[in-house]
This record gives sequence, structure tokens and C-alpha cells, in this order.
Amino acid sequence: QKEVEQNSGPLSVPEGAIASLNCTYSDRVSQSFFWYRQYSGKSPELIMSIYSNGDKEDGRFTAQLNKASQYVSLLIRDSQPSDSATYLCAVNGDYKLSFGAGTTVTVRA
Amino acid sequence: DAEITQSPRHKITETGRQVTLACHQTWNHNNMFWYRQDLGHGLRLIHYSYGVQDTNKGEVSDGYSVSRSNTEDLPLTLESAASSQTSVYFCASRDDGNTEAFFGQGTRLTVV
Repeated sequence: QKEVEQNSGPLSVPEGAIASLNCTYSDRVSQSFFWYRQYSGKSPELIMSIYSNGDKEDGRFTAQLNKASQYVSLLIRDSQPSDSATYLCAVNGDYKLSFGAGTTVTVRA
Repeated sequence: DAEITQSPRHKITETGRQVTLACHQTWNHNNMFWYRQDLGHGLRLIHYSYGVQDTNKGEVSDGYSVSRSNTEDLPLTLESAASSQTSVYFCASRDDGNTEAFFGQGTRLTVV
């Protein structure tokens, strides 16, 4: 079983809609969780971090964490064409970050 | 501003040659990582280091080595390049604790 799994893409949403991205992880002792955005040909950049159960909101982004279910999600509200990218879920275990394979999101104008 | 830089950005090499990719960070982070990124696999950890003289193998370490002689640098060496090592390589660093990692710009390596 992979350490971090993300819902398979690609995900296509119309402009203004909500994009929902999911991630599950296998290491129960993981303490911190991150969502990175990666544009084609560029390096990953952090958009959200979450450390405790519940929701965390930052602008149009909301991260949700459920440690009991070993589940992390990212919601992108009012999706814009500039949100078209690959989104990587990262989980911190034993001081190293493990990444999922990524979900590619395309926002249709 | 503090940053993390990789060089070269692009490299073409022949099968069997030794290749070294450079990674330099100015944040004074103890923790540094090398990942490779291939279509369908996301970022896979090659090697990582928690500090000077410390190195550890990641999930795809075969054929790669690293050394950490100072805080700022973690060069990645491919001992004998193989076509299967054609990939995009990312270096990252992070502070101690459960903090985010910062990435370099990446190195696109092609082994022919």
C-alpha cells in the first residue's frame, strides 16, 4: 500500500465551481499535512498546511483533516482558470515528507 | 532573500557516466531531501539528510548517493547513469519540526 494516495484525476470543473481533492495516508502517527500546487514545468509550492482535526480556511482554499479516518481533503471554492494545476498531498512522517501522485485539475472557462 | 537553488537546470548525459546534481540552500535548514518526479508517480524520495554528516536512503535510492559535508549543500550523484534515471529531480529543504518544505526549481535529466 502506498503511504499517500490521492483520488485519481484528472478533475475538470467549470469556472466558479468547487473542486474537491481527497487524500488518504497509511501512517497513523503522521502529525502534519500539506497541500502543494504545481504548475506544469514548475516546482511545487505550498498552498495549505494543517496540523489538527477539522477545517482550515485560507481565502478560497479549505483543508480538512480527519486523523481517525486518516483522510485529508482540499476544497477550492470559486475555481478560477489560474487554479488549473496539479495538486500534491504531502504527509509528514518520521521527519520526511511523503507525497501522493497528485491530482491534475483543469478549470474550464 | 533565502532560497534553494539547483544546478544544472537541464542535463543530457550518456548511459554509464557519473553525474552530480547540485543543491544549495541559504535558509540554514538542517533537513534536505532529493525527490524524483515521473509521470504517474508523483514525487518519490531518493535520499534525505537531517544534518551534516547524516544521510539516509529513501524509497528509490538504488543507483544514487548523497553526501552532506556542510549545512547548505546536498549534492546527488548518479554513480553510473541509466536510462531509467531519466526524470525531473527536485531538491527540498525544511526547518526542524513539522514544517513545510521548500523546493528548488528542478533539474531535468535525460540519460541517452
